Amino acid sequence: QLQLQESGPGLVKPSETLSLTCTVSGGSISSSSYYWGWIRQPPGKGLEWIGSIYYSGSTYYNPSLKSRVTISVDTSKNQFSLKLSSVTAADTAVYYCARHPYHIAVAHYWGQGTLVTVSS
Amino acid sequence: EIVMTQSPATLSVSPGERATLSCRASQSVSSNLAWYQQKPGQAPRLLIYGASTRATGIPARFSGSGSGTEFTLTISSLQSEDFAVYYCQQYNNWPPCSFGQGTKLEIK
Repeated sequence: QLQLQESGPGLVKPSETLSLTCTVSGGSISSSSYYWGWIRQPPGKGLEWIGSIYYSGSTYYNPSLKSRVTISVDTSKNQFSLKLSSVTAADTAVYYCARHPYHIAVAHYWGQGTLVTVSS
Repeated sequence: EIVMTQSPATLSVSPGERATLSCRASQSVSSNLAWYQQKPGQAPRLLIYGASTRATGIPARFSGSGSGTEFTLTISSLQSEDFAVYYCQQYNNWPPCSFGQGTKLEIK
């Protein structure tokens, strides 16, 4: 059974960089069939796709966040990571990692999510 | 950017009755439309993709229809566990994709 688990600091200061890691178990991140993505949800609000990465390192980012986002993959650890720079209170959200089929951005599997609060 | 609009924002339905949720795209997304269910404190769960294909393990009471700009999620006979927030998502022009703002399905 595929499982995804987010990890990282729950509190980040304004202007700093948010860093999260998603650990994949029960499946290989190096599968040619899937992309691995990050999605966020501000408290009480809707969902926003941040970006996705292929095991080769190929990435796609939401244009609205592209200037601040970096997604990377570590196939040796079966993990992928998110970095979001210059955060503000508007970046406070539950961050989910997810898996979707190659070039089809439908998230069949999700992590449980982790709340990141931006506050001094 | 394609804007997804869901209606109504809140839908009150009695258990055992039918619920119909709508999703409209600001331009055609063909059949590249998914529906998710989200319960409080949980991650979203995929219900429907390709506008009408149920995801693995999703009960037959959930059905999706539509193409182009108009889509519908129907729950034929509401069970207690179906009361949740439902999101539609277009992935026709990924990247990026976009979600609707959600419909809260509550018990009448």
